[in-house]
Amino acid sequence: QVQLVQSGAEVKKPGASVKVSCKASGYTFTDYGISWVRQAPGQGLEWMGWISGYNGNTNYAQKFQDRVTMTTDTSTTTAYMELRTLRFDDTAVYFCVREDYSSGWYPYWGQGTPVTVS
Amino acid sequence: DIQMTQSPSSLSASVGDRVTITCRASQAISNSLAWYQQQEGKAPKLLLHTASRLESGVPSRFSGSGSGTVYTLTIRSLQPEDFGTYYCHQYYSLPGTFGLGTKVEIK
Repeated sequence: QVQLVQSGAEVKKPGASVKVSCKASGYTFTDYGISWVRQAPGQGLEWMGWISGYNGNTNYAQKFQDRVTMTTDTSTTTAYMELRTLRFDDTAVYFCVREDYSSGWYPYWGQGTPVTVS
Repeated sequence: DIQMTQSPSSLSASVGDRVTITCRASQAISNSLAWYQQQEGKAPKLLLHTASRLESGVPSRFSGSGSGTVYTLTIRSLQPEDFGTYYCHQYYSLPGTFGLGTKVEIK
């Protein structure tokens, strides 16, 4: 079965960077992309961007364009999301998610990685 | 970006009640709409996609309808395990955007 297992909680200072990992299993990694969605405390869900598992092509939300880098390591079937120049309002739970084929909806979610900027 | 306006923001209902949540998109999204349920401390769970298609394993008391810019999620007979926050999500165009959620409490 499809599983996305994320790295553990992080606490960072303003201005620092954070890199969250998402280990995928149960499917052919290169057949699907991974998106990242975040949720600030008590807030809704915000799409950050997408990376192809096949060739590493990316599509970032304009809001994060200058501060985010998404990468993959096909040898370990792991996706990474790095967010730089952290601000207090980057405090959130970060989820990696996978579509069903190229459907656009998300049946598969990681467990979430809390990132606190303090 | 397409804005998704969800209502109500919260509701309290009794077991057995019929519950309806509405999502309005700022432009037509051609049934490219999904609904998720999120319980505290957990990742969202997909309930429906393509506005009305039930995800495998989701109870049939959940249903979706709508077209154009207005979509609804209905829980036919609310059960105790249905508490949580429900989100709509448009994937018609990038960036995909979500509603702010409807918190459902059981009376």
